[in-house]
Amino acid sequence: DQQVKQNSPSLSVQEGRISILNCDYTNSMFDYFLWYKKYPAEGPTFLISISSIKDKNEDGRFTVFLNKSAKHLSLHIVPSQPGDSAVYFCAASASGGSNYKLTFGKGTLLTVNP
Amino acid sequence: NAGVTQTPKFRVLKTGQSMTLLCAQDMNHEYMYWYRQDPGMGLRLIHYSVGEGTTAKGEVPDGYNVSRLKKQNFLLGLESAAPSQTSVYFCASSPTSGRAGRAKNIQYFGAGTRLSVL
Repeated sequence: DQQVKQNSPSLSVQEGRISILNCDYTNSMFDYFLWYKKYPAEGPTFLISISSIKDKNEDGRFTVFLNKSAKHLSLHIVPSQPGDSAVYFCAASASGGSNYKLTFGKGTLLTVNP
Repeated sequence: NAGVTQTPKFRVLKTGQSMTLLCAQDMNHEYMYWYRQDPGMGLRLIHYSVGEGTTAKGEVPDGYNVSRLKKQNFLLGLESAAPSQTSVYFCASSPTSGRAGRAKNIQYFGAGTRLSVL
């Protein structure tokens, strides 16, 4: 059973517009969430994270929103740039003995068109 | 700053052959991980290690073995390769502590090894 779901395999937006990538989770023990970005032929790189005690975290053009009651988080990129074109993975971890382990979603391919 | 280095970058095997993938990290991280990425499947954890001399099974461990003889190295072995093991393999590492105690959740990845088993 998939505990972290990214239901949109792909997303296409125009340069300068907002990109919104969504992620849902089912495990109520998850309390820390991360977004990774992956370019072709490279490894995933950490982008931004959020703790369950917050509902928003911002870093430059990137903002992550967390809705605990809905078990939903989203990544907003404003404004989107062609260099943002990549696969974005949502990941989650739970406090406790194995809190160093991450559960990843399947990823969303973002294409930003010039 | 090298970070996490994986060797080799590409490899083609015949069914039944064996090989070892090497992961090295220079960040003095305690935790290390091996993942595989398949189309439409995301990243799935194969094995992981919480310190030198320790290993544990992840989500998809069958057909793989690992060893962590040195803190900086994590080896992934395929004893008898099968076509189902055709994939891109990623190694990652993470620290045990950091600012606000949450840095251990951030994993740092290598560039990957693309393996084809014919």
